[in-house]
Formats: sequence, structure tokens, C-alpha cells
Amino acid sequence: GQQLNQSPQSMFIQEGEDVSMNCTSSSIFNTWLWYKQDPGEGPVLLIALYKAGELTSNGRLTAQFGITRKDSFLNISASIPSDVGIYFCAGLGGSQGNLIFGKGTKLSVKP
Amino acid sequence: DGGITQSPKYLFRKEGQNVTLSCEQNLNHDAMYWYRQDPGQGLRLIYYSQIVNDFQKGDIAEGYSVSREKKESFPLTVTSAQKNPTAFYLCASSPRKSSYNSPLHFGNGTRLTVT
Repeated sequence: GQQLNQSPQSMFIQEGEDVSMNCTSSSIFNTWLWYKQDPGEGPVLLIALYKAGELTSNGRLTAQFGITRKDSFLNISASIPSDVGIYFCAGLGGSQGNLIFGKGTKLSVKP
Repeated sequence: DGGITQSPKYLFRKEGQNVTLSCEQNLNHDAMYWYRQDPGQGLRLIYYSQIVNDFQKGDIAEGYSVSREKKESFPLTVTSAQKNPTAFYLCASSPRKSSYNSPLHFGNGTRLTVT
């Protein structure tokens, strides 16, 4: 079946640093979504991308829909402590039209 | 405020018992979904429903059952046949089934522990 490879699995940030994560697939997707999940809570939609090449921002977050439709990245600029959590990418495509989720990137603060 | 309500937040059961997780939405969304989340894993689809009185199996439906008698409610039953039921369960809804411009909105989850 379709799979999304999300990387990195985890990363440590220092306040003020920029952060970058991405999702890749061997399959083509028609929609890319980025979610953030805080501990013990449900994922919250951050950015939705609907068109190849699309670049969309939401405050300090920027995401792009890859031109090949097989990848997407999410950047966070000038990170702050409340950015910690798990970030999931999700792609929509395929015959059944079900959303496929990556395994998440866990963002933690450097000790 | 509109949203998705899952209850309870934490649930403990003995092995061999069936347990039902509640999910209610007041967003007037047609489609509803159940996902399972395990540590270090992405979300895996258990069941989904596009319309009242209709539902479809997802990728890991074995050991689970659902009903959709009302538009706003989509309860999930974890049966004793589910071999590894301890997990975080997430309910979601969307205006239409996973289609263009119809992203999922999630509830806050139910953590089920079976001993």
C-alpha cells in the first residue's frame, strides 16, 4: 500500500532555531496536510496544501507541496518552547481516497 | 463552540471485555473516522463512515465494530477479539469523506488500557 516516509523521526531544538521536516513517498498525492499533536491531545491541522508547487504560510510555519506531488516539507522559523510536540504529515490520494499519515516528527527542547 | 467530543479521556478494562468508546460531533460533518495511534507510529484507520447507516472498514478493522445511527455520533466498540487493544484512539470528522478541501478535524482522544 501507499506509505509516507517522514523525517527526521525526532529532533531537539533550541529556542530561536529554524526547524525543517519533510515527507516523501513513491506515490503521487493530491493533497498534503500538516498536523501538530500535543501530548494526550488530538492532532490539530496546521496547513493544508492542494496544488503542486504551492507554498503556504501560517505565522512562523511554511509548508510546500512538492512539484512532483510525491513530497512536502514543513519549516518552522524562530522556534519557541510551545512548538514542541509531534508533527504529522498526511497525504490524500489513491483509489479509496483515504488519508495516509506519516509516523511523525517529535520536536523536543534541547536541555 | 463546534467540535468533536470523545469520552472518556481514560478507560481501563480487563482482558476479555468489550468496551465502547464514544465520539460525538456538532460540526454537521457527513464523514466520521476512527484511528488508532501507537507510540512512534502514524495514525492507522480502523473504520470510517460517509453517511448515516453506512460504514467501511479501514486498514485495521479486525477486532473492532462501529455503528452510525445518527449523523453526530460514531461509537467504536473494541471487542475481546482485538489482540492488542491498549492504544490511544482518535475520532475525526470531515465535511465529506477525505476529499479535496475537506481535511480531518480530530477529537482529543481516548486512552484505552486493557490488562
